[in-house]
Amino acid sequence: GIQVEQSPPDLILQEGANSTLRCNFSDSVNNLQWFHQNPWGQLINLFYIPSGTKQNGRLSATTVATERYSLLYISSSQTTDSGVYFCAARTGANNLFFGTGTRLTVIP
Amino acid sequence: SQTIHQWPATLVQPVGSPLSLECTVEGTSNPNLYWYRQAAGRGLQLLFYSVGIGQISSEVPQNLSASRPQDRQFILSSKKLLLSDSGFYLCAWRGLAGNIQYFGAGTRLSVL
Repeated sequence: GIQVEQSPPDLILQEGANSTLRCNFSDSVNNLQWFHQNPWGQLINLFYIPSGTKQNGRLSATTVATERYSLLYISSSQTTDSGVYFCAARTGANNLFFGTGTRLTVIP
Repeated sequence: SQTIHQWPATLVQPVGSPLSLECTVEGTSNPNLYWYRQAAGRGLQLLFYSVGIGQISSEVPQNLSASRPQDRQFILSSKKLLLSDSGFYLCAWRGLAGNIQYFGAGTRLSVL
């Protein structure tokens, strides 16, 4: 299956700072999703973004499919942004393959 | 709107005991259904997926099995739990023609 790599593995930010999380994938994709896993384990959909750019409040994401990467931007981070961020990618009719995540800690 | 229910939220079971985790989806028909396991707080491993009633595909050999007795019901089972079955189990669904995958709240299983 497709290989999905995320960086950095861990990130500590001061509240109010901005950050960029990266996701590289090894093949062409027809599905790419970003998730946030909160401290209770719930996986929340952030973006469905196989290509292009989307924004939702302080979060935005960009996928450059031809170069096989996606970026998640978090601006003006808040303590509630803490958790693990996953990207997951799918090719064709295959299943979603997940990266190993970026653990974000936002300190007040 | 569609919702996914997963229970129980937490479970503590002795080694050698049976397991049954249930997941149901509402508000959609003929969804693709998935069971994932997350160990050590990082990385999701796909265990099983189903594209229809009675159709189960296994991604990894293991001590667990899955069944889909109804269109929107997905069950994860084991006859005898092992210590290594401990983890966080997540059920997910995707619409037949949809692209977005949605997850349940998860079950935290501790095998002692």
